Amino acid sequence: SQQGEEDPQALSIQEGENATMNCSYKTSINNLQWYRQNSGRGLVHLILIRSNEREKHSGRLRVTLDTSKKSSSLLITASRAADTASYFCATDPPTGANSKLTFGKGITLSVRP
Amino acid sequence: ETGVTQSPTHLIKTRGQQVTLRCSSQSGHNTVSWYQQALGQGPQFIFQYYREEENGRGNFPPRFSGLQFPNYSSELNVNALELDDSALYLCASSPPTSGGYQETQYFGPGTRLLVL
Repeated sequence: SQQGEEDPQALSIQEGENATMNCSYKTSINNLQWYRQNSGRGLVHLILIRSNEREKHSGRLRVTLDTSKKSSSLLITASRAADTASYFCATDPPTGANSKLTFGKGITLSVRP
Repeated sequence: ETGVTQSPTHLIKTRGQQVTLRCSSQSGHNTVSWYQQALGQGPQFIFQYYREEENGRGNFPPRFSGLQFPNYSSELNVNALELDDSALYLCASSPPTSGGYQETQYFGPGTRLLVL
């Protein structure tokens, strides 16, 4: 079963614009992570935000987390054509000693040159 | 590139056959997790191996089994293949913790399995 639900399912923007992607989840988490996947290949870890954090930045990425609403958003600023990919949020439960991720269905981002 | 490798990259099997997929974890990583990603879906957790023992399992039937070797590489075996097993199979490795919680996983490029 999939814990996270990303919104929108697909997003098309012009290069230079900002892209905002949202994720909602259902159960308690230890952390929430965002991944990128190009052309159905391996996943690339983008950013991790812990349950006691509200906002985090990494380069052009900004992620927020609202545990009361069980939601997160990923903002990519000044998008580039190379940002075209599928983006997934993944939640990590607060049990066990090793991460076991539950992914959403993903968002397809197209950045037009 | 994460340093996690998987083989083969592509595989075609027929229904009822058995398949073995392989994963070499990143150097120094002692935990390997396997995920199944159907077309248009997010990855689904199959199971995880830590120090050669299964350490958690998702909602997959027993015909999905695995192994982890002393060098921490891993295999995923699927028996009695079904058409719905067609998917991208991803493995991810994690480094040892120092008493804390291990959060970061490093994914390989995946093996694409087609069952006819």
